Amino acid sequence: NAGVTQTPKFQVLKTGQSMTLQCAQDMNHNSMYWYRQDPGMGLRLIYYSASEGTTDKGEVPNGYNVSRLNKREFSLRLESAAPSQTSVYFCASTQGQGLGETQYFGPGTRLLVL
Amino acid sequence: QQQVKQSPQSLIVQKGGISIINCAYENTAFDYFPWYQQFPGKGPALLIAIRPDVSEKKEGRFTISFNKSAKQFSLHIMDSQPGDSATYFCAASISWGVDKLIFGTGTRLQVFP
Repeated sequence: NAGVTQTPKFQVLKTGQSMTLQCAQDMNHNSMYWYRQDPGMGLRLIYYSASEGTTDKGEVPNGYNVSRLNKREFSLRLESAAPSQTSVYFCASTQGQGLGETQYFGPGTRLLVL
Repeated sequence: QQQVKQSPQSLIVQKGGISIINCAYENTAFDYFPWYQQFPGKGPALLIAIRPDVSEKKEGRFTISFNKSAKQFSLHIMDSQPGDSATYFCAASISWGVDKLIFGTGTRLQVFP
């Protein structure tokens, strides 16, 4: 039982390049989330998927797209990376029943855009 | 738009002391208030959470105090240990539907022996 896994762990991109961050969970959770963490800003929600087949924008969606590939996997794509997207990206998942649930986070992907 | 304000930004405490981190929120519709703990290089993990129908929740050395009228809540770590050195985030959400957590900006706690 690995929980939430993320790949890659670390990536360096040049401005304008694209990449996809991968996330998978093995807890049979319905809801999945992508956050970015920046110094002094806490964690901010980029996109979320309440259930398989649905995705919605969070607080800071500009410059990102997501795909809920199946119940286990939720990917985040940067089509044209910008230095402002240098951050640590976390994926999280919950059972999806609302009522204030524990969000389980992955180990993060550290992205540097030059 | 920062809906959850957290202070202090950093905190240094002697081993055995009490660590106190404060958060204030704006949206009165929030009804779920968790605290997450994050060690360097790791993802955040739930530490303790509270709902506004109680004023205090205690789990071991960790206590959340909640003041609904003041729209404030705080984390108290009693008998702080070096192993508690981490970054702590408060958060808030509206718990019906999808849990979209709004996080505070984090407090870096260092506990020295």
